[in-house]
Amino acid sequence: EAQVTQNPRYLITVTGKKLTVTCSQNMNHEYMSWYRQDPGLGLRQIYYSMNVEVTDKGDVPEGYKVSRKEKRNFPLILESPSPNQTSLYFCASSSRTGLLLYFGPGTRLTVT
Amino acid sequence: KQEVTQIPAALSVPEGENLVLNCSFTDSAIYNLQWFRQDPGKGLTSLLLIQSSQREQTSGRLNASLDKSSGRSTLYIAASQPGDSATYLCAVFTSGTYKYIFGTGTRLKVLA
Repeated sequence: EAQVTQNPRYLITVTGKKLTVTCSQNMNHEYMSWYRQDPGLGLRQIYYSMNVEVTDKGDVPEGYKVSRKEKRNFPLILESPSPNQTSLYFCASSSRTGLLLYFGPGTRLTVT
Repeated sequence: KQEVTQIPAALSVPEGENLVLNCSFTDSAIYNLQWFRQDPGKGLTSLLLIQSSQREQTSGRLNASLDKSSGRSTLYIAASQPGDSATYLCAVFTSGTYKYIFGTGTRLKVLA
């Protein structure tokens, strides 16, 4: 089954404790992206990747890092999480930019 | 800078009604527009994708139209059912960028 998977689905952590949210797709998609969703603000792009080893900032990249060492994986790294990073995070992929976006199920992160 | 607006933010209708959801965008230089459905606590599912050269797309009871010159798209849902209750988001992919800009969504409730 074609899908985008994210882990963990739920995470509660404390300020400053480094964490990684994994994202994997099995559709051989070149384009992958991370979004955060906050009430009243909608979905905002954090980082995106056009292909392996090619990443770039979205609209809200501060406090996040990404890497794209393999085509299927695009982890999101929070080196020192803060409470304002409490949000619902989505990973998405498509075969190339501007085409149908496939979303993962989301990761609900709470930073206390 | 592209901005996407969806009005109304919430809508309740009785079962069986035909309804229209609206999406407007400020920059008409778009590559395509997608409509998504989001169920509570879940990821986004793509419903329809309209390329910039198209005027509409249809899938079952759903019909999406696009008027680039006026910066508008509508999602028409025929014969609404309680199972259509969800949040509907539109997203615009602007030419020359590598990201979708999302509206904040319309939360639809179809009453049985």
